Amino acid sequence: GAVVSQHPSRVICKSGTSVKIECRSLDFQATTMFWYRQFPKQSLMLMATSNEGSKATYEQGVEKDKFLINHASLTLSTLTVTSAHPEDSSFYICSARDGPGLPIGVEQFFGPGTRLTVL
Amino acid sequence: GNSVTQMEGPVTLSEEAFLTINCTYTATGYPSLFWYVQYPGEGLQLLLKATKADDKGSNKGFEATYRKETTSFHLEKGSVQVSDSAVYFCAEGKTGRRALTFGSGTRLQVQP
Repeated sequence: GAVVSQHPSRVICKSGTSVKIECRSLDFQATTMFWYRQFPKQSLMLMATSNEGSKATYEQGVEKDKFLINHASLTLSTLTVTSAHPEDSSFYICSARDGPGLPIGVEQFFGPGTRLTVL
Repeated sequence: GNSVTQMEGPVTLSEEAFLTINCTYTATGYPSLFWYVQYPGEGLQLLLKATKADDKGSNKGFEATYRKETTSFHLEKGSVQVSDSAVYFCAEGKTGRRALTFGSGTRLQVQP
């Protein structure tokens, strides 16, 4: 199946700094990428949907100025957590799909996730 | 909004035991239902799915039946193996809404 990578897999940073997380589709072109956030023992919560070459669509309650998403190419989307604080500590997961007309679910391929810890 | 509820883990079983992981959803109508599995250090992988009531999804010995009357999609396997140890996520999705709604995940640990 298609492979999606995330980098870094784990990051620890100081409060107030910014952290960039990369999501890459390795063997297919991803017209759409999704960013999810997962708290311990909780569901994956959709943060935003990014389409290549256009602005991301953020879910209600997600601060777009804090979580900057760039989807500049068909194989790369980045999530930048700006001025990170301890409450931003979480597990961030991306998924990617190609073909806007394909059914939900099957064509979404997930990255392994990035664990962010803000001290 | 819609939600998906699945049993909390970890679930610890001996090899060859029977597995059930419960999952219920709140979405109205007829959403598509999925089970994803996440092995250590890897991304979520689609395990099985069902798109209409009474459909049974199956893969690798796992099965789940779409029960509209109980809004459930319980995952079952007759004989688990150590290699089945992973985190299992139940999810639902609807046409026109491309993102999925996930349950909280259930960690399965199978002991030899």
